[in-house]
Amino acid sequence: GAVVSQHPSWVICKSGTSVKIECRSLDFQATTMFWYRQFPKQSLMLMATSNEGSKATYEQGVEKDKFLINHASLTLSTLTVTSAHPEDSSFYICSAIRQGARSDQPQHFGDGTRLSIL
Amino acid sequence: AQSVAQPEDQVNVAEGNPLTVKCTYSVSGNPYLFWYVQYPNRGLQFLLKYITGDNLVKGSYGFEAEFNKSQTSFHLKKPSALVSDSALYFCAVVMNTGFQKLVFGTGTRLLVSP
Repeated sequence: GAVVSQHPSWVICKSGTSVKIECRSLDFQATTMFWYRQFPKQSLMLMATSNEGSKATYEQGVEKDKFLINHASLTLSTLTVTSAHPEDSSFYICSAIRQGARSDQPQHFGDGTRLSIL
Repeated sequence: AQSVAQPEDQVNVAEGNPLTVKCTYSVSGNPYLFWYVQYPNRGLQFLLKYITGDNLVKGSYGFEAEFNKSQTSFHLKKPSALVSDSALYFCAVVMNTGFQKLVFGTGTRLLVSP
């Protein structure tokens, strides 16, 4: 169990468009999901924490208006990159925590979305 | 502030030989430590964790890790490496916020040669 599905896995779009990435927990409910960004050959950078039914908490330096996060249900969080530009090109990964899990429980990760802005 | 260091960008080992991927940490209080593995263009897969108790933790795919409080280390080990173990390995610590925010190391690429 504990499967997280991320969609799409790969997207190419023109500069100026908006792109929505979905993160779904398929077999469990997740009150908390995390969004990460990973640059080539680098570690994961936490962008924001997404909480079901409330506003996301963004890390320092992450633009809230640029990266819109919605967590409307216990199984779905979405990240929308608005007015995307080439510098937004990256690998975006989500993770989810099972509802009621203790803090020593591992996060469950999606397979990531590779975003390329032309 | 909590942090994790992985001093090696890459580790090379021959198949069948033992492997070690190093990790040191800096945290306040008792750490919750994790190892994750990432294959190309994939998300992260959980390998093992240390919470408390026995310093030697066994995980998935034959991996284990040794928690050493005096050296603040949590090195990942495997007695006999496989070519299929080649991947990117991340050490991580949970921040003491009660909110499960992970702080990752910079990652170590493991290359196992046939």
